[in-house]
Amino acid sequence: NAGVTQTPKFQVLKTGQSMTLQCAQDMNHEYMSWYRQDPGMGLRLIHYSVGAGITDQGEVPNGYNVSRSTTEDFPLRLLSAAPSQTSVYFCASMGDNNSPLHFGNGTRLTVT
Amino acid sequence: SQQGEEDPQALSIQEGENATMNCSYKTSINNLQWYRQNSGRGLVHLILIRSNEREKHSGRLRVTLDTSKKSSSLLITASRAADTASYFCATGRNDYKLSFGAGTTVTVRA
Repeated sequence: NAGVTQTPKFQVLKTGQSMTLQCAQDMNHEYMSWYRQDPGMGLRLIHYSVGAGITDQGEVPNGYNVSRSTTEDFPLRLLSAAPSQTSVYFCASMGDNNSPLHFGNGTRLTVT
Repeated sequence: SQQGEEDPQALSIQEGENATMNCSYKTSINNLQWYRQNSGRGLVHLILIRSNEREKHSGRLRVTLDTSKKSSSLLITASRAADTASYFCATGRNDYKLSFGAGTTVTVRA
């Protein structure tokens, strides 16, 4: 049982480049989400999904796209990377509204 | 904006001592959760307390919730070096969005 798997672990991009952060879970959770973590800021919600085909914006969605074509996968796309997107990104899933979040190990992204 | 705010920002204690950290929040919640994060790793869930509960225990952890004051506390008893980590509270609402605070960094000295 792998839980929540994120790839890659590290990535360096140049300003303007695009990339996709992958996230997969094997717990059959309906809810998945992406957070970014910056020093002193805690975790901020970027996008989330309550089921396949359904996505919605969180607190800081600008510059990011998501899709949820299957229950298992929830990729996060950066269309044109900016230095302000340098951060650690966490994917998480949960079974229902009164359950804990299960986190991946994170992707450390640097945009130069 | 962040819903939960932890206090203090940092805490340094001797091994064997207790550590207490607090979380305050602003709006109605379904539940309040505490997570631990070791350096360079993802967050690990510790305890979830529902809005109709006042206290919950898990091993050396004790969580209280006071909905009238919109606050929660996490107590770690008999601390160990392995408890060195950052601790976050998160508030859960009906909309599935968990909001995290900035965290309390706990250092346990040997």
